[in-house]
Amino acid sequence: DTGVSQDPRHKITKRGQNVTFRCDPISEHNRLYWYRQTLGQGPEFLTYFQNEAQLEKSRLLSDRFSAERPKGSFSTLEIQRTEQGDSAMYLCASSRAGERENTIYFGEGSWLTVV
Amino acid sequence: AQTVTQSQPEMSVQEAETVTLSCTYDTSESDYYLFWYKQPPSRQMILVIRQEAYKQQNATENRFSVNFQKAAKSFSLKISDSQLGDAAMYFCAYRTLPSGNTPLVFGKGTRLSVIA
Repeated sequence: DTGVSQDPRHKITKRGQNVTFRCDPISEHNRLYWYRQTLGQGPEFLTYFQNEAQLEKSRLLSDRFSAERPKGSFSTLEIQRTEQGDSAMYLCASSRAGERENTIYFGEGSWLTVV
Repeated sequence: AQTVTQSQPEMSVQEAETVTLSCTYDTSESDYYLFWYKQPPSRQMILVIRQEAYKQQNATENRFSVNFQKAAKSFSLKISDSQLGDAAMYFCAYRTLPSGNTPLVFGKGTRLSVIA
């Protein structure tokens, strides 16, 4: 069990540029979640996948955001035409579906700073 | 919509003492989970303790225990014998059953400082 891995850990980008974050979940986990966390706030749900299917998207996920999980393993979160308000930590998490007690495990997050 | 409220933005405790962090939530569901997560500075969020709503017995994990009051929709975390390593942000979170589509809903967090 190597845990949830996220890359890059930090990204500084200019406003208007596109950025992509990658998440590798725990290997046997079929659910994968993306959350956004700004300073002084709790994480806010963005979207989640069960295997390769994106089952739910928050209204926080504007048209500039897109997430994929093409083979049901790793996932990417792309932000197009970044804005300063996108500056936040993007957290990935994973869990096993189908069990009553399925703990959600988080990665260390990817910090995005838009300048 | 479910909401989670943590009314204490910051708390402090002397090393070896006990501290209680408060959490209230709002839901119309009868079966759900409640969690406390710990997020140290620049480190990943880790699960501290979990409570299932249908279980009346309060969950305990070593120095960490909860006081779950279902009727009052209250879920406080007690940390006994506080250690320097307990200093972190603590988030209370809620979710419905695993088969549901509701993700974790977090409160805004409580920053805990431990004074040596």
